[in-house]
Amino acid sequence: QSALTQPPSASGSPGQSVTISCTGTSSDVGGYNSVSWYQQPPGKAPKLIIYEVSKRPSGVPDRFSGSKSGNTASLTVSGLQPEDEADYYCISYAGSSKLGEVFGTGTKVTVL
Amino acid sequence: QVQLVQSGAEVKKPGASVKVSCKASGYTFITYGITWVRQAPGQGLEWMGWNNPHDGNTNYPQKLQGRITMTTDTSTSTAYMELRSLRSDDTAVYYCARVPYGAYHYDSWGQGTLITVSS
Repeated sequence: QSALTQPPSASGSPGQSVTISCTGTSSDVGGYNSVSWYQQPPGKAPKLIIYEVSKRPSGVPDRFSGSKSGNTASLTVSGLQPEDEADYYCISYAGSSKLGEVFGTGTKVTVL
Repeated sequence: QVQLVQSGAEVKKPGASVKVSCKASGYTFITYGITWVRQAPGQGLEWMGWNNPHDGNTNYPQKLQGRITMTTDTSTSTAYMELRSLRSDDTAVYYCARVPYGAYHYDSWGQGTLITVSS
């Protein structure tokens, strides 16, 4: 299975919105509602911010939202804040537990 | 609160083995799966496999088959990942993460363990 494609970088000024795409195939992103998103600040472990395409874990601000259309999932960060500067990864189920999930290539978000 | 605390950084020579531990607390250990993910320096995330603490079932990616073993000790709520025949390209930060059964996301992560393979 191939990696999911994300843009290498995205940026926005404080208060603005940024949207990150995660493009796969009908065998992963398009085939299941099992896309999740993770935020990884520099030097830290990833943290779950969206699961099952659009659900937010408890404690994650509602500035983070997820959606999916066809084979592309998207993460939108609204009202950018300096602490949102981090790497963001998407992960999708790919139809077989034996093969594991397929990971996105990662997007570095810079708050200007 | 849920915590996964991993063992400390190690330096290994090529050909050696390493065993990383991941001690869970704040939840009933056998009611969630454990996955392992690694991240080479400056690179993205790579899935290393999955372990079911309830029945010991494991899944590994083809590229690591034969070199990796994941186990759990339910008496201490600790998961282990052993990687053998280490190579320089195994240098990475290794993470354990909790996986709800029947789901495909990782809802809590360890702090990471840096494994450096160098002669």
